[in-house]
Amino acid sequence: GENVEQHPSTLSVQEGDSAVIKCTYSDSASNYFPWYKQELGKRPQLIIDIRSNVGEKKDQRIAVTLNKTAKHFSLHITETQPEDSAVYFCAAGSAGGTSYGKLTFGQGTILTVHP
Amino acid sequence: DAGITQSPRHKVTETGTPVTLRCHQTENHRYMYWYRQDPGHGLRLIHYSYGVKDTDKGEVSDGYSVSRSKTEDFLLTLESATSSQTSVYFCAIKGANQETQYFGPGTRLLVL
Repeated sequence: GENVEQHPSTLSVQEGDSAVIKCTYSDSASNYFPWYKQELGKRPQLIIDIRSNVGEKKDQRIAVTLNKTAKHFSLHITETQPEDSAVYFCAAGSAGGTSYGKLTFGQGTILTVHP
Repeated sequence: DAGITQSPRHKVTETGTPVTLRCHQTENHRYMYWYRQDPGHGLRLIHYSYGVKDTDKGEVSDGYSVSRSKTEDFLLTLESATSSQTSVYFCAIKGANQETQYFGPGTRLLVL
């Protein structure tokens, strides 16, 4: 089955700096890569996703890049703010077919943004 | 928040007792999932459903069973709870023509 590795496990930055979180996946059939943000005591919420036919996607201060050949994808947050502090999870899955939309998640990255 | 509720939100139980967690959705989505979340492990899939009465195992299904008799409800049962099943349990839903999974608020379970 799919295996997703996420690094780093913790990341501390100063407000205004950029933050990068990286994930690798093992199954070349995976074609959907979402990123979730989870604040303390809350549910995971989707912040951005990318499909395998796209190399990069941006949404304001957040961007995701995908390298299918190397089987890795990254989350980039620019101009970080204290409210970006949370746990971030990457995931990989296959849209369509008999995969039933299942996702395999990385272990999570605790991002702390210091004012 | 995508019309998903979980009950109970918190539960303390003793080893060996049965426990049932409920996930209820108002979105009429086809797919439903149960995950557990533990430090250092991210979210791990326990069981999932792709329709009424259609369920299958995920990566950490031992000790758990599920049932889905109606589109809106997906039940997770711990037949005989163990301390290793202390965790936060999240339900998620997904529409048939969508890719995004939406999560419920979670259930915090403590097995003593």
